[in-house]
Amino acid sequence: AQKVTQAQTEISVVEKEDVTLDCVYETRDTTYYLFWYKQPPSGELVFLIRRNSFDEQNEISGRYSWNFQKSTSSFNFTITASQVVDSAVYFCALSEASRGSTLGRLYFGRGTQLTVWP
Amino acid sequence: KAGVTQTPRYLIKTRGQQVTLSCSPISGHRSVSWYQQTPGQGLQFLFEYFSETQRNKGNFPGRFSGRQFSNSRSEMNVSTLELGDSALYLCASTPTTSGGPITQYFGPGTRLTVL
Repeated sequence: AQKVTQAQTEISVVEKEDVTLDCVYETRDTTYYLFWYKQPPSGELVFLIRRNSFDEQNEISGRYSWNFQKSTSSFNFTITASQVVDSAVYFCALSEASRGSTLGRLYFGRGTQLTVWP
Repeated sequence: KAGVTQTPRYLIKTRGQQVTLSCSPISGHRSVSWYQQTPGQGLQFLFEYFSETQRNKGNFPGRFSGRQFSNSRSEMNVSTLELGDSALYLCASTPTTSGGPITQYFGPGTRLTVL
């Protein structure tokens, strides 16, 4: 069964601190994609990053970086030098791709509320 | 390029009524997915449409239905509204690619309140 777990319900940090959001996933598919989305108070889900199951290379994009480890089924997301505008709910999501018809379906974690204090 | 648009943004209905929500995907995107977000259940997949056909469906009762038009715009309908249908309904569109990663881009949502 597909499952995405975000164990951290809420995280509070002070501006300029680094913060890591944890995500653990379960899937039987060998081909899948992992995503991080941000949901500010306005409600719209904003796409941040995507990774596919064949590429475990970890990257940095501006203040964002991610650590994908298939061995532990984890896809953690780090914000460096956090800012007040980073305050939002962050969702980790999984999309399975081995069966083509499921590409349009995302399985979401319950989200982590990040609050960055000035 | 304009993003995903959803109308209306806010809606108040009473139990037993029905409601129709609309979603216009990003230009050129042919797949539209719908999600329900509630504090209790989180984000749950409702259904996905591609080229006017429902391609995938989540675990929701038959009161929830949808359709897609030839211009890729989509509507979802909820009949006989219940209090538990109060939620943020999010629509997402996906570009059509042959293989490769597919990212869903979300609209601002429609907040439905059932009284």
